[in-house]
Amino acid sequence: RKEVEQDPGPFNVPEGATVAFNCTYSNSASQSFFWYRQDCRKEPKLLMSVYSSGNEDGRFTAQLNRASQYISLLIRDSKLSDSATYLCVVNEFSGGYNKLIFGAGTRLAVHP
Amino acid sequence: IAGITQAPTSQILAAGRRMTLRCTQDMRHNAMYWYRQDLGLGLRLIHYSNTAGTTGKGEVPDGYSVSRANTDDFPLTLASAVPSQTSVYFCASSELAGASYEQFFGPGTRLTVL
Repeated sequence: RKEVEQDPGPFNVPEGATVAFNCTYSNSASQSFFWYRQDCRKEPKLLMSVYSSGNEDGRFTAQLNRASQYISLLIRDSKLSDSATYLCVVNEFSGGYNKLIFGAGTRLAVHP
Repeated sequence: IAGITQAPTSQILAAGRRMTLRCTQDMRHNAMYWYRQDLGLGLRLIHYSNTAGTTGKGEVPDGYSVSRANTDDFPLTLASAVPSQTSVYFCASSELAGASYEQFFGPGTRLTVL
């Protein structure tokens, strides 16, 4: 089982739609959670951290469910510029160091 | 320089050749990382450095080595390249070591080993 699993998509949605991505993680001891965004052939960039109480940044809302070990990202009023791959990222402490585990990503394509 | 730079942008390399991928950051971040990204897989950590003068092995270190002589530079060396090392390589840095700190990524190096 992968440590961080995501639906690879693609999710094809029209502009203005609401779309949600889920991600599951296997290590119950994980403490830090993030969503990164990666545009085609570009580097990943932090979109938002995910807090236990849930958090919102404009059109983006992130939720964490520790009991079920999943994280979600909700995008409201999708824009063409939201087209990208969204990476779910979870920390893990193993081998004597704290590391980030990246999911393979969920691809979103927003069309006119 | 602003942020993290990597060189070269892309490279085609014959198997068995030695190659060094360069990474430089100007943010005075303590921690630096090397990842590889392959289709269908998440980024995987190759090596890391929590501070200048120290390095550690990540998830997939075999066939790679790193050094951290100063704060700004973190080169990754493939001593004898093999086709399975064909990948996109990303260097990253964070202000301090620890998973709660945002990692900033360089633009990547696309490496093809034939």
